[in-house]
Amino acid sequence: NAGVTQTPKFRVLKTGQSMTLLCAQDMNHEYMYWYRQDPGMGLRLIHYSVGEGTTAKGEVPDGYNVSRLKKQNFLLGLESAAPSQTSVYFCASTPGRDNYEQYFGPGTRLTVT
Amino acid sequence: AQSVTQLDSQVPVFEEAPVELRCNYSSSVSVYLFWYVQYPNQGLQLLLKYLSGSTLVKGINGFEAEFNKSQTSFHLRKPSVHISDTAEYFCAVSDLGDTGRRALTFGSGTRLQVQP
Repeated sequence: NAGVTQTPKFRVLKTGQSMTLLCAQDMNHEYMYWYRQDPGMGLRLIHYSVGEGTTAKGEVPDGYNVSRLKKQNFLLGLESAAPSQTSVYFCASTPGRDNYEQYFGPGTRLTVT
Repeated sequence: AQSVTQLDSQVPVFEEAPVELRCNYSSSVSVYLFWYVQYPNQGLQLLLKYLSGSTLVKGINGFEAEFNKSQTSFHLRKPSVHISDTAEYFCAVSDLGDTGRRALTFGSGTRLQVQP
């Protein structure tokens, strides 16, 4: 099993450009999450999904959109990138039911200039 | 809503010395508790978790943590650290009353620096 994979690993954008980050998991997990990690702030939840076709906002959703058309994929979109979105983005998944442990991808480092 | 406080942003320690990384949480309902480790330029890896039962939890790489409900703490300990333990450590909680999300709330992290 590859676990949770993220594409791309690095990206540099100019202000106003758009991009999509792809997260894929091969563990048949129901729940998927997007977090951003900033120095001294830990990880903060952007959006999450409790199953195929469903998405919901987390604590810091502004400027981002998500989609989960297939159970194994969770996409994070930035429609008009801003320097404040410079961060490391992590995707995670969890099986659901009684298991709350989250499995993380390797991260995407995004710089917006 | 719950919150997590990691009391030390950096902890320098000499190799083979013991270490404790402190974590306190607040929540109005029962929680599950986790410690994750992040090595440089990598994702997060689970060290250990407390779901129920014994309050002393053992994890990977010789780490252990003790859940103290009265003090709302979940401190991480290791009796003898190695250079390879140098990493950032995150404490996280999952609110059992929030079964819809099952999301984790993270502390701000503690950077453990093991010196020779």
